[in-house]
Amino acid sequence: QISLKESGPTLVRSTQTLTLTCTVSGFSVSTRDLGVGWIRQPPGKALEGLALIHWDDDKRYSPSLKTRLTITRDTSKNHVVLTLTNMDPEDTGTYYCARRTISWEGVPYFDNWGPGILVTVSS
Amino acid sequence: DIQMTQSPSSLSASVADRVTITCRSSQPISNFLNWYQHKAGEAPKLLIYAASSLQGGVSSRFSGSGSGTHFTLTISSLQPEDFATYYCQQTHSVFFSFGAGTKVVSK
Repeated sequence: QISLKESGPTLVRSTQTLTLTCTVSGFSVSTRDLGVGWIRQPPGKALEGLALIHWDDDKRYSPSLKTRLTITRDTSKNHVVLTLTNMDPEDTGTYYCARRTISWEGVPYFDNWGPGILVTVSS
Repeated sequence: DIQMTQSPSSLSASVADRVTITCRSSQPISNFLNWYQHKAGEAPKLLIYAASSLQGGVSSRFSGSGSGTHFTLTISSLQPEDFATYYCQQTHSVFFSFGAGTKVVSK
């Protein structure tokens, strides 16, 4: 059974660095054609993609946030870590990790999601 | 960057209504378009991938169509559990992006 779960601090202060971990089970983060992405949702706003790490360690970032983001993986622990530097109250929101797979036609999509973790940034 | 525009931003509907949500991309994206349902306090749920493929376990009242820049999600007969926010997502460009969402509320 596939599952993902986010963990990390739920309260951080402005200017601090946020580090979140996505622990997965039911698949390996190094399985061909799979990936793990991070997506967030500020209160009352839309989903926003943050970062994605592919099975071969290829990494992609949101163009608007890439200077603040780092995504890494630990294949021995089967987890993916996201760091976001210089946190601001506008970074408050629910952070999700999700498994990325691809269709037979090669179209990527996120088929399994973690429950999310609410992160609040205090000033 | 590819911009995704959803319409309407919200709609009011009744159980058994047919509901259609539109998503347009700022550039052609072939069929690299997915639809998700999101309820407050829950994880988003994949409904449709590759524009028209129904995810396993998802009710057949959900369907998707379109290609290029114009896509639609249709709920053939709205059920009480379908009141939620729906997002389209493009995965054609270097980095994926979502539309702003369409909130479906009870009339």
